[in-house]
Amino acid sequence: GENVEQHPSTLSVQEGDSAVIKCTYSDSASNYFPWYKQELGKRPQLIIDIRSNVGEKKDQRIAVTLNKTAKHFSLHITETQPEDSAVYFCAASDNDMRFGAGTRLTVKP
Amino acid sequence: SQTIHQWPATLVQPVGSPLSLECTVEGTSNPNLYWYRQAAGRGLQLLFYSVGIGQISSEVPQNLSASRPQDRQFILSSKKLLLSDSGFYLCAWSVMKGNQPQHFGDGTRLSIL
Repeated sequence: GENVEQHPSTLSVQEGDSAVIKCTYSDSASNYFPWYKQELGKRPQLIIDIRSNVGEKKDQRIAVTLNKTAKHFSLHITETQPEDSAVYFCAASDNDMRFGAGTRLTVKP
Repeated sequence: SQTIHQWPATLVQPVGSPLSLECTVEGTSNPNLYWYRQAAGRGLQLLFYSVGIGQISSEVPQNLSASRPQDRQFILSSKKLLLSDSGFYLCAWSVMKGNQPQHFGDGTRLSIL
């Protein structure tokens, strides 16, 4: 089955800096890659997703890149703000969706 | 628009007591439904999923069970809770089992004493 690894497990950046979270997956059949943001005690919420026929997708300060050959994808957050502080989960899906272990992002004001 | 409801929001139960958590989805038909558990500071562990009424697949062996008595209702149960059952339980739905986003409920925080 699919195995998703996510790095780093914790990330601390200064407000205004960029943050990058990386994930690798094992199943070459996976073709859908969502990213979720989970604030403390809240539900995970979808923030951006990408499909395997696209290499990059951007939504304001958030972008995701996908390298199918290397089987890795990354979340990029630019101009970070304190409200970006949360746990971020990547996932990879073919018939089953598997989540990474999460990255705790802290943005220091 | 589609909405997903979970209740209760928090629950404190003694070891050995039964459990019933309920999840309902509105605004869509024949959703795929999921139960996840999240231990404190950890990732999402898929417990059960259902592609239709009465169809339940279990991901991990445990003392929990799930049922889907109606199209948009998903129930997580236990006859006798263990200390290790403590955690944050999340219900989610999707249009299809794969290749589609999953949308999560607000979760139930379960504490076992």
